[in-house]
Amino acid sequence: DAMVIQNPRYQVTQFGKPVTLSCSQTLNHNVMYWYQQKSSQAPKLLFHYYDKDFNNEADTPDNFQSRRPNTSFCFLDIRSPGLGDAAMYLCATSRGTETQYFGPGTRLLVL
Amino acid sequence: KNEVEQSPQNLTAQEGEFITINCSYSVGISALHWLQQHPGGGIVSLFMLSSGKKKHGRLIATINIQEKHSSLHITASHPRDSAVYICAESGGGADGLTFGKGTHLIIQP
Repeated sequence: DAMVIQNPRYQVTQFGKPVTLSCSQTLNHNVMYWYQQKSSQAPKLLFHYYDKDFNNEADTPDNFQSRRPNTSFCFLDIRSPGLGDAAMYLCATSRGTETQYFGPGTRLLVL
Repeated sequence: KNEVEQSPQNLTAQEGEFITINCSYSVGISALHWLQQHPGGGIVSLFMLSSGKKKHGRLIATINIQEKHSSLHITASHPRDSAVYICAESGGGADGLTFGKGTHLIIQP
């Protein structure tokens, strides 16, 4: 029944070691979003795909990149994670401007 | 960029009480969203509204476009309503949400 799936749920990586987080959806939504939520803070939009068009937020660090190989999957790549990148990473999807559906999140720990 | 302010930040109430959480925003929006986040991270969308009022079960959301203000009400509150309630706005298109800081609600039995 899961609609937006994120893998893994917990990810531990070492400082500077590249890491990839995965999001998949069974809703056939055309928009996919990545948000970063640090402890006790509000989620913050990193970037989103509208169909195949990539939209990067102005203040998203270059260290963060994304790929969307098809409608169902979207990946978040962190090229050289720093301690400050430890956070919950939330994937969400929507059909155009309609309601967003969120995945359960991936909690990233950087050692 | 739009600023989204919520109040109160923390709210503790007794079971059965009527709960109101407020949200204000600084510039015009496309839609106002109310979301619920439980410990562990999962976020669920409760309402998306651009005018008037919406009701779902014991939850009611209202918005006043002229005053740039929205409220979320919970009637007959229950301990299972304990969660963080977040107000967010979508400024236009499908550009993602700008979130408020959330209201941490605890309903005591």
